Amino acid sequence: EAQVTQNPRYLITVTGKKLTVTCSQNMNHEYMSWYRQDPGLGLRQIYYSMNVEVTDKGDVPEGYKVSRKEKRNFPLILESPSPNQTSLYFCASSLLVPTGNQPQHFGDGTRLSIL
Amino acid sequence: GQSLEQPSEVTAVEGAIVQINCTYQTSGFYGLSWYQQHDGGAPTFLSYNALDGLEETGRFSSFLSRSDSYGYLLLQELQMKDSASYFCAVRAGFNKFYFGSGTKLNVKP
Repeated sequence: EAQVTQNPRYLITVTGKKLTVTCSQNMNHEYMSWYRQDPGLGLRQIYYSMNVEVTDKGDVPEGYKVSRKEKRNFPLILESPSPNQTSLYFCASSLLVPTGNQPQHFGDGTRLSIL
Repeated sequence: GQSLEQPSEVTAVEGAIVQINCTYQTSGFYGLSWYQQHDGGAPTFLSYNALDGLEETGRFSSFLSRSDSYGYLLLQELQMKDSASYFCAVRAGFNKFYFGSGTKLNVKP
């Protein structure tokens, strides 16, 4: 089954304790992206990657890091989490289509609470 | 900056037709997409418009007017399962996507 898998689904942690949210896709997609979703703000793009070792900032990259060492994996790293990073996070992947339709497949989300 | 505006909430009855509008202001435009998200779930892709006009996919249609920076999603023969949030999203750059804040659709019997 084609899917994007995120782990963990839920996490409560404390300020300053480094954490990693993993994302893996089995569709051989080149493009992967991280979004955060906050009430009233929709989804905002954090980072994206066009392929292995190619990553770039989205709209709200501050406080986050990513890596793309393998095509299927795109972890999101919070080196020193703060309460304003409490949010619902989604990983998405898609084929890379230069200018046309590029429907993204989303994972089930990770709800992070940082106290 | 980038902005996408859509109504926060819409209510309609089962069997009716509802239109969800989206106006956008972005630097760069490749196309407008629509996604559906049920409570607690992942967004799922519904439709995409790159050119002006109407695209139809079953009960759902999507329209785009590039000159007006405007699009809408039309849902026909509403069913209870259509109760969800609907997001418009602009592909503003080669790899950048901007989403609206979402429209919560309530379908009543």
